[in-house]
Amino acid sequence: NAGVTQTPKFQVLKTGQSMTLQCAQDMNHEYMSWYRQDPGMGLRLIHYSVGAGITDQGEVPNGYNVSRSTTEDFPLRLLSAAPSQTSVYFCASSYSGQPQHFGDGTRLSIL
Amino acid sequence: RKEVEQDPGPFNVPEGATVAFNCTYSNSASQSFFWYRQDCRKEPKLLMSVYSSGNEDGRFTAQLNRASQYISLLIRDSKLSDSATYLCVVRSYSGGGADGLTFGKGTHLIIQP
Repeated sequence: NAGVTQTPKFQVLKTGQSMTLQCAQDMNHEYMSWYRQDPGMGLRLIHYSVGAGITDQGEVPNGYNVSRSTTEDFPLRLLSAAPSQTSVYFCASSYSGQPQHFGDGTRLSIL
Repeated sequence: RKEVEQDPGPFNVPEGATVAFNCTYSNSASQSFFWYRQDCRKEPKLLMSVYSSGNEDGRFTAQLNRASQYISLLIRDSKLSDSATYLCVVRSYSGGGADGLTFGKGTHLIIQP
């Protein structure tokens, strides 16, 4: 039981490049979420999903999109990377009403 | 008023001391409460849920005060390994992010030898 797995753990991009952050969970959780964490800002919700085929925007969705084609996977796409997207990204999953389980994060730098 | 507020600290506490910090929430319809722990450059991990009657897990005690809309975390006999950031998390079915969850920004605790 791997829990929530995020890849890659580290990534450096140039401004304007696109990339996909992967998130997979093996706990059959219906809820999955993407957060970014910046110094002094706490966790901010980017996008979330309440089940396969259903996604919704969080607090800071601009510049990102997501899809949820299966229960297990919830990739986050950066469409055209900007320096403001330099951050640590966490994926989390849970059953409804239960505490979230987090992946160990992706540290992303945009030059 | 922010939905979930915490004193960012840092709280500098000598090893062996007792430390307590609070978290206030603004939504009176909040249903569930949790404390998470986050070590530097690591992911948040669930420390404990907070139940209406209060609950204890070893050296950690969590309490809920619905009338004043705050939860607290008390750590007894603090250890160096307790140094971390403690995040307060509130679930409100009337709103919020994924599954109604709102995270506080965290309280930074430093245990000094």
